[in-house]
Amino acid sequence: GAVVSQHPSRVICKSGTSVKIECRSLDFQATTMFWYRQFPKQSLMLMATSNEGSKATYEQGVEKDKFLINHASLTLSTLTVTSAHPEDSSFYICSARNRDLSAFFGQGTRLTVV
Amino acid sequence: KQEVTQIPAALSVPEGENLVLNCSFTDSAIYNLQWFRQDPGKGLTSLLLIQSSQREQTSGRLNASLDKSSGRSTLYIAASQPGDSATYLCAVIDSWGKLQFGAGTQVVVTP
Repeated sequence: GAVVSQHPSRVICKSGTSVKIECRSLDFQATTMFWYRQFPKQSLMLMATSNEGSKATYEQGVEKDKFLINHASLTLSTLTVTSAHPEDSSFYICSARNRDLSAFFGQGTRLTVV
Repeated sequence: KQEVTQIPAALSVPEGENLVLNCSFTDSAIYNLQWFRQDPGKGLTSLLLIQSSQREQTSGRLNASLDKSSGRSTLYIAASQPGDSATYLCAVIDSWGKLQFGAGTQVVVTP
């Protein structure tokens, strides 16, 4: 199957700093990537849809200025958590959409804000 | 608004038993349905993708059925093994490729 690489897998940062998470589709071009957030023992919640070359579409309740998404190429999307606070600590996962609309996921990033 | 429900929330079976995991969705206008496995603290592994025109998909010990009209999908895992212990998530996919997940079924297979 297609491979999606997400980095870093774990990050600990101080409150007030920004963190960038990268999502790469390694063997296919993804015009659309999605970013999800998962709280402990809960399912994944879609945060935003990232389209190559255009602005991301955010789900209701997700702060655009807090979670900056850039999809500069067909194989790379980035999520930047700006001015992170402890409540932003979570598991973030990206996915890339294949032509048949099947989704392939990155390994996830565990963000801890101290 | 689409709602995806998975029952049961948790399941514990002895090794060798077959597993039956249920997923229901309220809006039958889906494009695809996909089953995933998630190990604790890890990302998602895709298990099976069923396109809306299909009734089932099989891969090894896994079989997933889809009944769009009734808004249901079932994942069967034959002859369960301890390595099958994980959380299983179903997700419905719309025509934009956007996934909406159920809350998952946490499976424990005891040796």
